[in-house]
Amino acid sequence: EPEVTQTPSHQVTQMGQEVILRCVPISNHLYFYWYRQILGQKVEFLVSFYNNEISEKSEIFDDQFSVERPDGSNFTLKIRSTKLEDSAMYFCASMGGSYEQYFGPGTRLTVT
Amino acid sequence: DQQVKQNSPSLSVQEGRISILNCDYTNSMFDYFLWYKKYPAEGPTFLISISSIKDKNEDGRFTVFLNKSAKHLSLHIVPSQPGDSAVYFCAARGNAGNMLTFGGGTRLMVKP
Repeated sequence: EPEVTQTPSHQVTQMGQEVILRCVPISNHLYFYWYRQILGQKVEFLVSFYNNEISEKSEIFDDQFSVERPDGSNFTLKIRSTKLEDSAMYFCASMGGSYEQYFGPGTRLTVT
Repeated sequence: DQQVKQNSPSLSVQEGRISILNCDYTNSMFDYFLWYKKYPAEGPTFLISISSIKDKNEDGRFTVFLNKSAKHLSLHIVPSQPGDSAVYFCAARGNAGNMLTFGGGTRLMVKP
C-alpha cells in the first residue's frame, strides 16, 4: 500500500540553525501539507501546497518557514532559524482526488 | 482555538463491546469530517470520513455518525479489539480550503 515517508525520524539542532525536513508524498497525489504537534497539544496545520505554490498557510507559518517541491517526488519544509518553541513532531501529508489526507510517520524536531 | 473538541481524553472498553468516541465542532462552515487513529511515535492513520451531506458512513467495524444540527459526530467501533487501543482524533475540513482542524484526541484502551 502506498505511504507517505519522512526523513529524518529525529532531528536535533541548535537554536538559530536551519533545518530541512523531507517528505516523499504518495506518488499520484497532488496536494501536500505540513502539520505539527507540540508535545501535549493538538495537531496544527502549517501549510498546504498545490501546483507548485502555497495554497493556504496558518499564522504559525511565518517568514522563518518555507516549503519546496524540488523534484517530482520530494516535498520539503525549511525552518531558517530555529527557535526553542519550534520543537515538535512535524507531519507531512498528501491528498489525491478525495478529501482524505494521508500522513507520514513524522519527524521529531528537538531544538536545544 | 476550540473549533473542534473531543471532550473525553480517555475511554476504556472491554474487548468485544462497542466503543463510542465523540467529537463536537463549532464552525458551521466545516463540510467534511475525518477520523484518524494514532499510535505512539507514528503519524495519524486515516480511518473513516463523512461528508456533511450525509449522516452516516460505515466501513467494516467502524461507523461514523454526523448530527449537523447538534454539530456533533461520533465514531462507533464494534466489536472493539485490543489492537484498537490508540489515540483517536477527529478532524474537520472547511469549505474554503483543505486544511484540517483537529480535536485534542481521545485515548481508547480496549481491555482483553
